[in-house]
Amino acid sequence: QKEVEQDPGPLSVPEGAIVSLNCTYSNSAFQYFMWYRQYSRKGPELLMYTYSSGNKEDGRFTAQVDKSSKYISLFIRDSQPSDSATYLCAMTKAAGNKLTFGGGTRVLVKP
Amino acid sequence: SAVISQKPSRDICQRGTSLTIQCQVDSQVTMMFWYRQQPGQSLTLIATANQGSEATYESGFVIDKFPISRPNLTFSTLTVSNMSPEDSSIYLCSVASGGAKTEAFFGQGTRLTVV
Repeated sequence: QKEVEQDPGPLSVPEGAIVSLNCTYSNSAFQYFMWYRQYSRKGPELLMYTYSSGNKEDGRFTAQVDKSSKYISLFIRDSQPSDSATYLCAMTKAAGNKLTFGGGTRVLVKP
Repeated sequence: SAVISQKPSRDICQRGTSLTIQCQVDSQVTMMFWYRQQPGQSLTLIATANQGSEATYESGFVIDKFPISRPNLTFSTLTVSNMSPEDSSIYLCSVASGGAKTEAFFGQGTRLTVV
């Protein structure tokens, strides 16, 4: 069993819809949680990071962490075709340490 | 945020040869990380590079195959040695930045094809 599980998709939504992404993990030692967006042939771009449980909002993006359930989510409101990419969750036990990644979810936002 | 430059951005190499990938950061960082992303897959950590000490390799990766140098706090290299087609991947370097080193940033990656 992988430490971090993420549905590979693809997830196809119409423009303007809410995109809902999630990851589950097994290691309760993870404390920092991140979401990355990766366009084809590009490096991962950090979207959001969250420490411990709770919610964090940044523009159209909302990240949620539920440590009791070992479950994290990313919501994208008012999705745009430019949001079409692969979204990767990642987590680490301590700040500055190595990251453990989920497998990534491919998202397609149709105009 | 940290700005990370990787060279080369892509290369096509013959099997049996070696390629050295460079990673330059615009600020001093303690640890630099090297990841591999095989086609259609997620990222897997190869090793952690600290300045002034030997790199720490993850299970399944060895120094003879992936030697790493870390001569100062802003620069590192990863060499992929004696390449085979199975080494065809994207190789990425990463650093932790931000006030509490909580944010991890990546370079654009090196796309390697071994023929």
